[in-house]
Amino acid sequence: DSGVTQTPKHLITATGQRVTLRCSPRSGDLSVYWYQQSLDQGLQFLIQYYNGEERAKGNILERFSAQQFPDLHSELNLSSLELGDSALYFCASSASQGGTEAFFGQGTRLTVV
Amino acid sequence: AQSVTQPDIHITVSEGASLELRCNYSYGATPYLFWYVQSPGQGLQLLLKYFSGDTLVQGIKGFEAEFKRSQSSFNLRKPSVHWSDAAEYFCAVGALYQGGSQGNLIFGKGTKLSVKP
Repeated sequence: DSGVTQTPKHLITATGQRVTLRCSPRSGDLSVYWYQQSLDQGLQFLIQYYNGEERAKGNILERFSAQQFPDLHSELNLSSLELGDSALYFCASSASQGGTEAFFGQGTRLTVV
Repeated sequence: AQSVTQPDIHITVSEGASLELRCNYSYGATPYLFWYVQSPGQGLQLLLKYFSGDTLVQGIKGFEAEFKRSQSSFNLRKPSVHWSDAAEYFCAVGALYQGGSQGNLIFGKGTKLSVKP
C-alpha cells in the first residue's frame, strides 16, 4: 500500500459528460501529480500541484482541469468526454516539489462509451 | 528534450534465469532515474532510484540497476527471476524544471516481462 488513495477505482460514463477523479496523497506529502496511461500514449504527465499551487503542466487538454485543496487532496476534472479519454488515470504524491521519489495510487479506470 | 527509451517491448525469460531490462535516457544534466513495476490492474510500485553517488543501486525484490553516464543507460537486473516478477516495468527520469530542479516523471513505454515455468 503506497498510502495514496484514489477514488473511484472504476468509472463508466458517456461521451460529452463530465467526471471528477479524487486523490488523497500520502500523509505529509505536499506535491500531487496526475498521469494518464493509455495503450497508444503510454504514461503521460498531466499536471502537478504543490501545496495548493499549480507547479507544472504537461500534456493536459483544455477540457481537463485540476486543483489541490487546503487539506492537500486533489481532484482532476474531465469534461466534454470523448471516447479517446478512456484510460487509467494515476495520482502520485511526493514530499517536496520534485527531486524525490513519487508514490502512486492504484489508479482510476475511466471508460467513456 | 528529455526522453526515455526502453527498446524491448516484451521479454520472456525462464524462471531462475537472469534478467536485464534496458533503459536509455536523453537528458541535459545529471538525471534522477527510477524503475517502477506495474502488475496487472495495479498501480506503479517503485523498485529503485538513482539520484547521485554509487552508480550501482539496490532495490526491492532483489533488483538492482547500474547508472552508466557514458552510455546514457540505467539498466535493470535481477540474477534469478521468479514467476511473481511477471509484470510491466517502466524506466523514468525526473523532468528538468527551470532553475535546475527535477519534478514530474518522464516514462519510457515499458517492457512487459513474461516468466516461463
